[in-house]
Amino acid sequence: EAQVTQNPRYLITVTGKKLTVTCSQNMNHEYMSWYRQDPGLGLRQIYYSMNVEVTDKGDVPEGYKVSRKEKRNFPLILESPSPNQTSLYFCASSPLGQGAWTDTQYFGPGTRLTVL
Amino acid sequence: LAKTTQPISMDSYEGQEVNITCSHNNIATNDYITWYQQFPSQGPRFIIQGYKTKVTNEVASLFIPADRKSSTLSLPRVSLSDTAVYYCLVWGGGNKLTFGTGTQLKVEL
Repeated sequence: EAQVTQNPRYLITVTGKKLTVTCSQNMNHEYMSWYRQDPGLGLRQIYYSMNVEVTDKGDVPEGYKVSRKEKRNFPLILESPSPNQTSLYFCASSPLGQGAWTDTQYFGPGTRLTVL
Repeated sequence: LAKTTQPISMDSYEGQEVNITCSHNNIATNDYITWYQQFPSQGPRFIIQGYKTKVTNEVASLFIPADRKSSTLSLPRVSLSDTAVYYCLVWGGGNKLTFGTGTQLKVEL
């Protein structure tokens, strides 16, 4: 089954304790992206990757890191989490094909993070 | 990046047709318009996509006027299960993606 998986689905942590949220897709997609979703603010892009070893900042990259060492995986790293990073996080992937804008994004189930 | 503007919320009743309009005044020539549906605590899922005129699939229709500065998602005969947030996305091949704040549709009996 074609899917995007995220782990963990729920995480409660404390300020300053490094954490990684994993994202994996089995569709051989080039484009992968991380979003955070907060009440009243919709979906905001954190980082995206056009392909292996190619990553770039989205609209809200502060406090986050990513890496793309393999095509299927795109982990989100919070080196020193703070309470303002409490949010619902989504990973998504999309094929590039003739142009990513014509291809739909496939979203993971989400990771609900609470930073105390 | 084309900025999108949608109504924050809409209410409807079962069996009615719902039209949600999205404004995107600075849409670029190579931009496509895509609509996503999101249920609480789930990732958004694709509904429909178009470039111009009208597109229809099994769940919705998308109307795009000639100037492409707006688009309207039409949901025929909504049911309670259509209660969700609907996002309009305009994306033209630039690497960054910007979703709007979405429209919360509430369907009642």
